[in-house]
Amino acid sequence: DAGVTQSPTHLIKTRGQQVTLRCSPKSGHDTVSWYQQALGQGPQFIFQYYEEEERQRGNFPDRFSGHQFPNYSSELNVNALLLGDSALYLCASSLDGIVQETQYFGPGTRLLVL
Amino acid sequence: GIQVEQSPPDLILQEGANSTLRCNFSDSVNNLQWFHQNPWGQLINLFYIPSGTKQNGRLSATTVATERYSLLYISSSQTTDSGVYFCAVSLSNTGKLIFGQGTTLQVKP
Repeated sequence: DAGVTQSPTHLIKTRGQQVTLRCSPKSGHDTVSWYQQALGQGPQFIFQYYEEEERQRGNFPDRFSGHQFPNYSSELNVNALLLGDSALYLCASSLDGIVQETQYFGPGTRLLVL
Repeated sequence: GIQVEQSPPDLILQEGANSTLRCNFSDSVNNLQWFHQNPWGQLINLFYIPSGTKQNGRLSATTVATERYSLLYISSSQTTDSGVYFCAVSLSNTGKLIFGQGTTLQVKP
């Protein structure tokens, strides 16, 4: 049973560029959430996708956008990159509507903005 | 919004020692999870424990929801237990998780 997978593992970009990160949820899961983890901090919620729509959003600017595909995989897009966007980006998947369902995290994508 | 506070922020142990990590949260929650983040950044699920007590090998956790805190116990610590331990809470089972700042544990041989 494959867990949550993310690609790429590492990425280096320059300020002003755009980046796309990808996530495939755990088999059987239909909900994908994205988190940003700055160095030395806990992960912060960016947004959550369910049924191909953004269901919840954290305090992140519109430069951060996403998409969920019919197979439940998801993309995170960040436009006009800033130095402060350098972080570990984590994807988590879960099964909506099930009591006592945990969120499972992927290995993350490390983004460095120069 | 919900505030999550973890203590202590840092902990250094000798191999074989026991430890207790604490997580306080400011509001009623439906979901509380403990994670271990390894040096490569992978968040590993330890417990889903919105209330009650659970045990898994050398690890156990207790959440007292009415008093808004959770404890993670690590017994007979090993060097592989090193890393950052996060507590995360949510108002719903699949909603956004709000993480504490973590406890960094170093187990020395």
